[in-house]
Amino acid sequence: QVQLVESGGGVVQPGTPLRLSCAASGFTFSSYGMHWVRQAPGKGLEWVSIMRSDGSNEYYADSVKGRFTVSRQNSKNTLYLQMNSLRVEDTAVYYCAKEKHPHSTAFFGLDVWGQGTTVTVSS
Amino acid sequence: DIQMTQSPSSLSASVGDRVAITCRASQSISTFLNWYQQKPGKAPKLLIFGASRLESGVPSRFSGSGSGTDFTLTISNLQREDFATYYCQQSSITPPFTFGQGTKLEIK
Repeated sequence: QVQLVESGGGVVQPGTPLRLSCAASGFTFSSYGMHWVRQAPGKGLEWVSIMRSDGSNEYYADSVKGRFTVSRQNSKNTLYLQMNSLRVEDTAVYYCAKEKHPHSTAFFGLDVWGQGTTVTVSS
Repeated sequence: DIQMTQSPSSLSASVGDRVAITCRASQSISTFLNWYQQKPGKAPKLLIFGASRLESGVPSRFSGSGSGTDFTLTISNLQREDFATYYCQQSSITPPFTFGQGTKLEIK
């Protein structure tokens, strides 16, 4: 079945780097744009980043631009989020999510989500 | 950047009621508007995409409407399992693909 599984979260000190992974299965990973979305404790959803299906374009929320880098390895069906210069306000559950339609310039919804991985930034 | 404003932020209703949640974009997004349902401790679930298209497997009591800047999610004949938090998200050409702040639907 179609599945996304995030890993790599943990408790880190401010400024420490961390890399999240999202392992995909059950669909042709290389055909779909992939997103990272986060949710701070008790707060709403915040869109973080997108990487297009072929890795040609990536975009970021202003809150993480210059600190986070998204990448993908289609041969391994895996999406990554490299998080540098972590701040207390980056504490959240991080979800990866798949676009509903393949090879889309504009996307029509995120139809498959992982279970999330928790990142806690604290001194 | 496009801002998304949802209202109300919370809503109390009873089983069997019909409720509406609105989402307003700060500029026109055509029909690039999606709705999600999230229950505590769970990942969001796609309900409606393209403003009015029902995701496969989602009950027909959920419906979406609107275009341009104003959108509505309507839930008819509320069921107990519908009590959750709902988010809109814009997905037009230009990132960031902002979410609304959420609407918590509670049992009256």
